Amino acid sequence: GAGVSQSPSNKVTEKGKDVELRCDPISGHTALYWYRQSLGQGLEFLIYFQGNSAPDKSGLPSDRFSAERTGGSVSTLTIQRTQQEDSAVYLCASSSPGKGFYNEQFFGPGTRLTVL
Amino acid sequence: AQKVTQAQTEISVVEKEDVTLDCVYETRDTTYYLFWYKQPPSGELVFLIRRNSFDEQNEISGRYSWNFQKSTSSFNFTITASQVVDSAVYFCALSNLLVIGSSNTGKLIFGQGTTLQVKP
Repeated sequence: GAGVSQSPSNKVTEKGKDVELRCDPISGHTALYWYRQSLGQGLEFLIYFQGNSAPDKSGLPSDRFSAERTGGSVSTLTIQRTQQEDSAVYLCASSSPGKGFYNEQFFGPGTRLTVL
Repeated sequence: AQKVTQAQTEISVVEKEDVTLDCVYETRDTTYYLFWYKQPPSGELVFLIRRNSFDEQNEISGRYSWNFQKSTSSFNFTITASQVVDSAVYFCALSNLLVIGSSNTGKLIFGQGTTLQVKP
């Protein structure tokens, strides 16, 4: 595909369950970001991956949140023991640093998570 | 710390009116980038423009124009002759220069967004 893809597009879960959200970045993009868009907090950064470097996890809101990126491509964001305040749209973006002086991020369509 | 403020939460105009969306930012970096994104009702984030901190030239693209002023740390966005299709949430964002292997990750710091409603 030409763009960033995310799955599922919608996820409804019960409080306390674990969920996994997937992001497929644009092929060849080495940088990958997760953001969250919620009513109360707006758009906020969660985590950043770049190649084999240690990820920047400074935006993760709690230790219930974790993410990994296997093989430098696909990324999975996992939320354990979901809470109602985790309800939000989770956005993934990728970029290709090194091909210019800027860092244009291309966003996926997002996963809308609803925790009942 | 980096911060972006969009003081206008909601703006409502009538079609063909001009409208300016305000954005004020804070950063200690000397090299940084400013962005505007559009989020229509469908939800996807659409990139509109990027400016770097060394380029204060105003830019015009069709009905859109951007005014970057470092002296006031502002990066305002004007839509001329607004149309109903311009109705969306608009986000201003700031990032530092991504430097691989450093703490400069290029992550976007977003403002709270301005909801623009253009009525026919």
